[in-house]
Amino acid sequence: EDQVTQSPEALRLQEGESSSLNCSYTVSGLRGLFWYRQDPGKGPEFLFTLYSAGEEKEKERLKATLTKKESFLHITAPKPEDSATYLCAVHPWGNLSGIIFGSGTRLSIRP
Amino acid sequence: KAGVTQTPRYLIKTRGQQVTLSCSPISGHRSVSWYQQTPGQGLQFLFEYFSETQRNKGNFPGRFSGRQFSNSRSEMNVSTLELGDSALYLCASSLVPTGNTDTQYFGPGTRLTVL
Repeated sequence: EDQVTQSPEALRLQEGESSSLNCSYTVSGLRGLFWYRQDPGKGPEFLFTLYSAGEEKEKERLKATLTKKESFLHITAPKPEDSATYLCAVHPWGNLSGIIFGSGTRLSIRP
Repeated sequence: KAGVTQTPRYLIKTRGQQVTLSCSPISGHRSVSWYQQTPGQGLQFLFEYFSETQRNKGNFPGRFSGRQFSNSRSEMNVSTLELGDSALYLCASSLVPTGNTDTQYFGPGTRLTVL
């Protein structure tokens, strides 16, 4: 069964304290893996799409990487405005049930 | 360029009623997907429409239905509402079906409360 697991569920960091969020996935074949950011009461905001192992993408303080079994979202020197829930999702090959989302990591950055 | 818009933003209904939610995709986008988000189950895929045809469907009962119009706007309908249908309903659009390009852009959602 196709599955996505994110860890940790919640993470509290001090401003400037770098860390990583993990997304482990089990799929028969990966068409693509996505990272989204969601603020309370809003829809998810697209961050990255990764397609193959070894691929990396960066945007400001965020960097996403992909291996055959997991993806990491690295946050370098975070600021309070980076506080949000970060969602990982996978699109398996041949899955007619669409994109599968993880439960998210709630990130809180203290000033 | 305007983003994905959803109406209404908030809705309160009672059990047994029916509700219709609307989604207007980004201009030029022809694929619309619907998701249900709850604290317990997270984001769950409902269905996807492209060129007025349903392409994919998630594991939801037949009370949940949708359609897409020729201008790519989409509606979803939930009949015989249950308390468990209370959720944030999100619409996402993409240029072509998610099988071909995978970048979906989400709207702000419709918060449905069933009393």
